Amino acid sequence: AQSVTQLGSHVSVSEGALVLLRCNYSSSVPPYLFWYVQYPNQGLQLLLKYTSAATLVKGINGFEAEFKKSETSFHLTKPSAHMSDAAEYFCALNAGGTSYGKLTFGQGTILTVHP
Amino acid sequence: DTAVSQTPKYLVTQMGNDKSIKCEQNLGHDTMYWYKQDSKKFLKIMFSYNNKELIINETVPNRFSPKSPDKAHLNLHINSLELGDSAVYFCASSHTGLAGTGELFFGEGSRLTVL
Repeated sequence: AQSVTQLGSHVSVSEGALVLLRCNYSSSVPPYLFWYVQYPNQGLQLLLKYTSAATLVKGINGFEAEFKKSETSFHLTKPSAHMSDAAEYFCALNAGGTSYGKLTFGQGTILTVHP
Repeated sequence: DTAVSQTPKYLVTQMGNDKSIKCEQNLGHDTMYWYKQDSKKFLKIMFSYNNKELIINETVPNRFSPKSPDKAHLNLHINSLELGDSAVYFCASSHTGLAGTGELFFGEGSRLTVL
């Protein structure tokens, strides 16, 4: 069985500060991993994805994530937070193969950015 | 052009009623999904269709009946609505196959409120 755990349901940072959102996973097969962002009253938008190529993945809006197999982690970072980054972020896992894109989501982390 | 579009965006109805949500994608994908996001923002897959064939049914009550008339459309019909059905329902699509990673493209969601 697969699972995704996001550490911290709420993260608050100042504008310009480092953003770090934590995600740990459990999977019996090599996973594909994703970070999605959800702005209020909107759908989910893909930020970035890991698909077994480079372990450091760059996404949109200056975000990046590093796949660490030894730590079963896929933390999301951004060097300098912007007010527009305030949203809810979801880490997700796809077991691939015949799972037909069945994503297992984490609980979500709400990012607040203070001026 | 909206890639994955759902209608209606908001739906308020009484317990016991029957309602439908429609979804269309213009991305040429072969797989479509329904996800449910509950009041705690937890996202869980309900159904998945690949080329009009049901391939994932995640122990959803049989009051929920998905229908896929073609690859580009996936509708969700709900009978005898209950208070617990109140949620945001997201339609999504993906290209799934040997080259597919299961990356999903989400619609903006349909917020269902059962009174």
